[in-house]
Amino acid sequence: GAVVSQHPSRVICKSGTSVKIECRSLDFQATTMFWYRQFPKQSLMLMATSNEGSKATYEQGVEKDKFLINHASLTLSTLTVTSAHPEDSSFYICSARSWGVSSYEQYFGPGTRLTVT
Amino acid sequence: DAKTTQPTSMDCAEGRAANLPCNHSTISGNEYVYWYRQIHSQGPQYIIHGLKNNETNEMASLIITEDRKSSTLILPHATLRDTAVYYCILAGSNYKLTFGKGTLLTVNP
Repeated sequence: GAVVSQHPSRVICKSGTSVKIECRSLDFQATTMFWYRQFPKQSLMLMATSNEGSKATYEQGVEKDKFLINHASLTLSTLTVTSAHPEDSSFYICSARSWGVSSYEQYFGPGTRLTVT
Repeated sequence: DAKTTQPTSMDCAEGRAANLPCNHSTISGNEYVYWYRQIHSQGPQYIIHGLKNNETNEMASLIITEDRKSSTLILPHATLRDTAVYYCILAGSNYKLTFGKGTLLTVNP
């Protein structure tokens, strides 16, 4: 199946700093990418949907000025957590889908574990 | 809110078939049934999806009832590596996946 990568896999940052997480589709062009957040022992929660070249659509309750999403190319989307706080510590996962592969399948990255100290 | 109901946990013996049920009584006509699984601290993995017909691939089989109000994911010969949380998800044309709590399947030796 199609491969999605994320970088970094783990990051520790200090409170008040910003962190950028990259999501790449390695062998297909991702017209749509999704960003999820998962707290310990909980399920994935969709944060936002981004289409290449368009502004992201955020789910209710997700602060768009805090979680900046850029989907500037068909293979790369970035999530920037601005002014991170300890409560932002979580497992961040991206997924991607494309008309180039089965339009019904969504491929997930391995996740990025963010720890804010 | 997730629109599916799954048992919290299930156990299965290695080598036996694992049958994971899912109720989705409020499914809409244009919604597909998707199954994903998540092994601890990894991203979810796509397993299978279907609309109304039964489906089979190299990983699993999906049985959907005629009224589409429930489905069963079948792993024909479970291995220890199949231990994971299995999510049954409904998605329409926008392909947005809403994850519920899923079923923790534990495959025992």
